[in-house]
Amino acid sequence: GEDVEQSLFLSVREGDSSVINCTYTDSSSTYLYWYKQEPGAGLQLLTYIFSNMDMKQDQRLTVLLNKKDKHLSLRIADTQTGDSAIYFCAESINSGYALNFGKGTSLLVTP
Amino acid sequence: GAVVSQHPSRVICKSGTSVKIECRSLDFQATTMFWYRQFPKQSLMLMATSNEGSKATYEQGVEKDKFLINHASLTLSTLTVTSAHPEDSSFYICSARDAGGVPNTQYFGPGTRLTVL
Repeated sequence: GEDVEQSLFLSVREGDSSVINCTYTDSSSTYLYWYKQEPGAGLQLLTYIFSNMDMKQDQRLTVLLNKKDKHLSLRIADTQTGDSAIYFCAESINSGYALNFGKGTSLLVTP
Repeated sequence: GAVVSQHPSRVICKSGTSVKIECRSLDFQATTMFWYRQFPKQSLMLMATSNEGSKATYEQGVEKDKFLINHASLTLSTLTVTSAHPEDSSFYICSARDAGGVPNTQYFGPGTRLTVL
């Protein structure tokens, strides 16, 4: 399928905010997701947003959705060293049953 | 939250042997499970969609005779890599869709690292 685009690498200092951006491809995607993958592990669902929403906040996480530009972002407030991981955005495809993933953004949080 | 397990977590085998990987949903019923393959520093590539009680649907370019999928119950799907070769070495991740949970959300297993010598 077409590519979901993400920046590959982001480095922030502990306590700062992190913003990870994603451009998706399918304007009919019903849900958009952010997953976190720690080294050697599977993917952990962080949050999701329904396509009729512009923003969703969940504790330190804020998701912004711009449907016109097909742009999704994940903001992590007060980033901690434990947030260091790879973050994948994903769009639902094929009537929502399958997911199309970006290549992932590697977030490094330094003390 | 929904938990998905995979077994084994790591396997090393000789070329030509077959390897079976199990994916289980532990606290929910999964009518649909997915199998992904992930290369180093790459995204997840969907290999196939497995529906309980029916044949799996394979993505283009994935050999169904090479990667046998069985979804015999609502909590178990298996992926068998037949006659494995070094190019099959990869990280295989399964996910399960909780039909009763957050819509269309997949919960992922911890992955299986396959190394074929």
